[in-house]
Amino acid sequence: DAGITQSPRYKITETGRQVTLMCHQTWSHSYMFWYRQDLGHGLRLIYYSAAADITDKGEVPDGYVVSRSKTENFPLTLESATRSQTSVYFCASSEGRGHDNEQFFGPGTRLTVL
Amino acid sequence: TQLLEQSPQFLSIQEGENLTVYCNSSSVFSSLQWYRQEPGEGPVLLVTVVTGGEVKKLKRLTFQFGDARKDSSLHITAAQPGDTGLYLCAGVPRGSQGNLIFGKGTKLSVKP
Repeated sequence: DAGITQSPRYKITETGRQVTLMCHQTWSHSYMFWYRQDLGHGLRLIYYSAAADITDKGEVPDGYVVSRSKTENFPLTLESATRSQTSVYFCASSEGRGHDNEQFFGPGTRLTVL
Repeated sequence: TQLLEQSPQFLSIQEGENLTVYCNSSSVFSSLQWYRQEPGEGPVLLVTVVTGGEVKKLKRLTFQFGDARKDSSLHITAAQPGDTGLYLCAGVPRGSQGNLIFGKGTKLSVKP
């Protein structure tokens, strides 16, 4: 089915472990984004990518790593998870970046770091 | 610094009532978008307002962009339980690098 998918939907891990969240889109959108959503903070941009092999930091990139070897995939890795990274993570894609582009969001991954 | 302030944060009303949600900023925006997010799902775009003073209608939802392009409002007429969700405004400040900035959202609950 066309769309944007995230896996896993739920993840519980321990402090210090490496975790990778997957994101896959079938629209061939150029741009992909990772956000985290926390109570009291709303949606905050972690990293974004303009195309394969092009990534850039967002508002809150510390502790996260991204890669984009293929246009359709944009995995987010927490190299050494911390409790402060407990959050709901959303991946999104769009044809372009900026004020007149609609972002399409995945269903989210709820991550708990113990 | 929160560039987009939404109010109220929470709103609980009865079916059939009207309501207005506000999105305010001290910055000028090229446009503003409104998204709705239901529990367990990602946000979905409702509308984009581009021109200062613009009014857009989507069934019972009316969106307005302020003349100075610093604020927007969402008015729902005769709210229904299906309108329940988190309403987010988002925009790109004029002159910024181009990434969307989101407000913290208004959580709406419409009771039957």
